[in-house]
Amino acid sequence: DAGVIQSPRHEVTEMGQEVTLRCKPISGHNSLFWYRQTMMRGLELLIYFNNNVPIDDSGMPEDRFSAKMPNASFSTLKIQPSEPRDSAVYFCASKSWQGMDTQYFGPGTRLTVL
Amino acid sequence: EDQVTQSPEALRLQEGESSSLNCSYTVSGLRGLFWYRQDPGKGPEFLFTLYSAGEEKEKERLKATLTKKESFLHITAPKPEDSATYLCAVQVPGNTGKLIFGQGTTLQVKP
Repeated sequence: DAGVIQSPRHEVTEMGQEVTLRCKPISGHNSLFWYRQTMMRGLELLIYFNNNVPIDDSGMPEDRFSAKMPNASFSTLKIQPSEPRDSAVYFCASKSWQGMDTQYFGPGTRLTVL
Repeated sequence: EDQVTQSPEALRLQEGESSSLNCSYTVSGLRGLFWYRQDPGKGPEFLFTLYSAGEEKEKERLKATLTKKESFLHITAPKPEDSATYLCAVQVPGNTGKLIFGQGTTLQVKP
């Protein structure tokens, strides 16, 4: 199994630019989660989807953040416009609703906004 | 408010020196408690899930236990390769899968 795939692994951009992070969940998983990790705030849930439908986006910090899941094998997290305080590592995780509750994480995208 | 607190923030051990990491939580109706390991530059890697007080899980040198208010991750005779950040998370009530994470304990094991 390939695991959760995220791209890019590293992204450096300038303030005001649009940033798009991508995630491919584990095949057969129908729940997908986007997290942000910083030294100050640790690992925070931004938004999650069940069967491609956004269920809870209360963790999305501002309207500058948006997420989509057009199909079961792909999701994007977009920041527009980006700001230096958005610099963090963004993780995607997926899980199956059949039996186990375990979320499996991707390798993350390290975002630096200059 | 649902909350997870881990202690200590950092722990330095000599190889072979056993110790425990603590995760205390306040959540109304625990649905599950999870332990993850995170190496620098990588995503969290799943270790254990505990669902009810008294439950224990083991994997190699690691053993996780759960009470009604806290969980412990016991590390027996650690090796340098056990060095990592250990994260604890609780699943909130309801059939959502939503997790709340603690800040983590960074473990360094010296040879």
